[in-house]
Amino acid sequence: DTGVSQNPRHKITKRGQNVTFRCDPISEHNRLYWYRQTLGQGPEFLTYFQNEAQLEKSRLLSDRFSAERPKGSFSTLEIQRTEQGDSAMYLCASSPRSLAGWVTDTQYFGPGTRLTVL
Amino acid sequence: KQEVTQIPAALSVPEGENLVLNCSFTDSAIYNLQWFRQDPGKGLTSLLLIQSSQREQTSGRLNASLDKSSGRSTLYIAASQPGDSATYLCAVDVGSNYQLIWGAGTKLIIKP
Repeated sequence: DTGVSQNPRHKITKRGQNVTFRCDPISEHNRLYWYRQTLGQGPEFLTYFQNEAQLEKSRLLSDRFSAERPKGSFSTLEIQRTEQGDSAMYLCASSPRSLAGWVTDTQYFGPGTRLTVL
Repeated sequence: KQEVTQIPAALSVPEGENLVLNCSFTDSAIYNLQWFRQDPGKGLTSLLLIQSSQREQTSGRLNASLDKSSGRSTLYIAASQPGDSATYLCAVDVGSNYQLIWGAGTKLIIKP
């Protein structure tokens, strides 16, 4: 296993088009996260899955955004009717189950998908 | 609302120097704090994770400290090398479904 992978690495699209990104987490990691990062800023949390259940969604995730994690393995993030403001790096991370319920394990990040909306 | 601040935004030092990066947070009710490294155009690599009950963590030339009461963490890099050049981000876990709240990062340049 070589870590978290994301595809595509780069996506250029025209405003109004739909785009879909894929994330393959580290196998056996039951937790999966999506973040968005704009230039010069830290990542902003978008959503979180534990296995196949989407447990948390940021208010940043408008109704144009949808994420899925069927069967608790890979995840997809879809953006409908893209806007120029959606241009950013979209990061996926995964982490394993913690032995203690409240203790967070390190999140392992993929290389990201850079989206440019023209 | 938890806010994380990193100062300075950028730092340039000669190779071989020891240096300290700073991270401050407004709410001391955190579960842990993590330091990450990000190389240009790439994802993030976790460097150190400090649980709320710990005071510091060490890995090689890196040492991270945590003072919850004052809302501060520092990342100490010893004997800096050009390969250390990257953006360093800190993030706090506020216990809400393992969400991380991030600082904007410090861009570090180590000059040969």
